[in-house]
Amino acid sequence: DAGVTQSPTHLIKTRGQQVTLRCSPKSGHDTVSWYQQALGQGPQFIFQYYEEEERQRGNFPDRFSGHQFPNYSSELNVNALLLGDSALYLCASSTVGSPGVHGTDTQYFGPGTRLTVL
Amino acid sequence: DAKTTQPPSMDCAEGRAANLPCNHSTISGNEYVYWYRQIHSQGPQYIIHGLKNNETNEMASLIITEDRKSSTLILPHATLRDTAVYYCIARRGSGGSNYKLTFGKGTLLTVNP
Repeated sequence: DAGVTQSPTHLIKTRGQQVTLRCSPKSGHDTVSWYQQALGQGPQFIFQYYEEEERQRGNFPDRFSGHQFPNYSSELNVNALLLGDSALYLCASSTVGSPGVHGTDTQYFGPGTRLTVL
Repeated sequence: DAKTTQPPSMDCAEGRAANLPCNHSTISGNEYVYWYRQIHSQGPQYIIHGLKNNETNEMASLIITEDRKSSTLILPHATLRDTAVYYCIARRGSGGSNYKLTFGKGTLLTVNP
């Protein structure tokens, strides 16, 4: 059973450019969340997608946008990159009623994409 | 989600039990206690969660006090590979409109040979 996968593993961009990160959820999961983790900090919630709609958003500017496809995979897009966008971007998948998980939608994380903005 | 408080760092000898505390004194009745860990530069790994009963799985045990204001994650026989940052998160169960995980700074557990 494949876990959450993310691509690419590493990415280097320059200021002002745009970037697209990709995520495939764990088999059987229909919900994807994205997090940003700056160096030395805990992950910060960007947004969550369910049924191809953004259903919750964290405190991130509109430069951060996303998409979810009918197969539940997801993309995170960041426009007009800033130096401060350099971080590890994490994708997590979940579903309500995961077998064996009582009453919760436990999120399972992928390995992340390391974005460096120069 | 209720705020959680963890010590910034802890040490443990290899082969001994690692007991990681978490304070969540403002936790509400429908909030679960989740534990994740993150090995350097990898994605967080789900460990265990619970509501009010103690829980055990192949990775760890979770002990929640009767008043639910604190909990302890127990790694029964720590190995060097358990060296990681451990995050304790209080989060409501499924339902409602708050789906995010709110991470704090966590506890850096260092397992020493």
